[in-house]
Amino acid sequence: DGGITQSPKYLFRKEGQNVTLSCEQNLNHDAMYWYRQDPGQGLRLIYYSQIVNDFQKGDIAEGYSVSREKKESFPLTVTSAQKNPTAFYLCASSRGGPSGVRSYEQYFGPGTRLTVT
Amino acid sequence: DAKTTQPNSMESNEEEPVHLPCNHSTISGTDYIHWYRQLPSQGPEYVIHGLTSNVNNRMASLAIAEDRKSSTLILHRATLRDAAVYYCILSKETSGSRLTFGEGTQLTVNP
Repeated sequence: DGGITQSPKYLFRKEGQNVTLSCEQNLNHDAMYWYRQDPGQGLRLIYYSQIVNDFQKGDIAEGYSVSREKKESFPLTVTSAQKNPTAFYLCASSRGGPSGVRSYEQYFGPGTRLTVT
Repeated sequence: DAKTTQPNSMESNEEEPVHLPCNHSTISGTDYIHWYRQLPSQGPEYVIHGLTSNVNNRMASLAIAEDRKSSTLILHRATLRDAAVYYCILSKETSGSRLTFGEGTQLTVNP
């Protein structure tokens, strides 16, 4: 079955530690995204990548880093510089590629709930 | 970027139609109108999108005003599984598939 997988579903870390969230897709999509969601709020874009080996900052990139070495994988690292890392993290992908390509629907993974204490 | 305005919450009864409104008075000619919905503790799910004409798919219908300053998502017969937060989002063709989510409308469906 094609889709997006995120692991783990729940993640607990101590303050001051970096943590990497996994996102894999087998939909052959060019574009991938990372969002953060806080309780009762909408999603906010952290980083996005429209093609392999390229990515751009979203609206709240501070304290996060990403890489896009393979088309199917887009891991997100939450660094110790992120002041409020506890949140629900969602990964998505879409067919849309570089700018100028028509908007395509995004497919979302099940999310990772990160708790930092 | 153009913004959307949605009611915070709406209620409906099971098996009745639901009309979810969205205002986007500053929409530009190249903005697509997208609707997603999110069930509790899950990732959002694409519902429908359109540019100028009304659109229908197996999940819903999208009615777009002639001046494009508002749109309405129509669920023809609400079920309990339709209870979710519904997001109305504008995206520019030139920004690829980048989406900016607002806070959406929490739809409650009563049995």
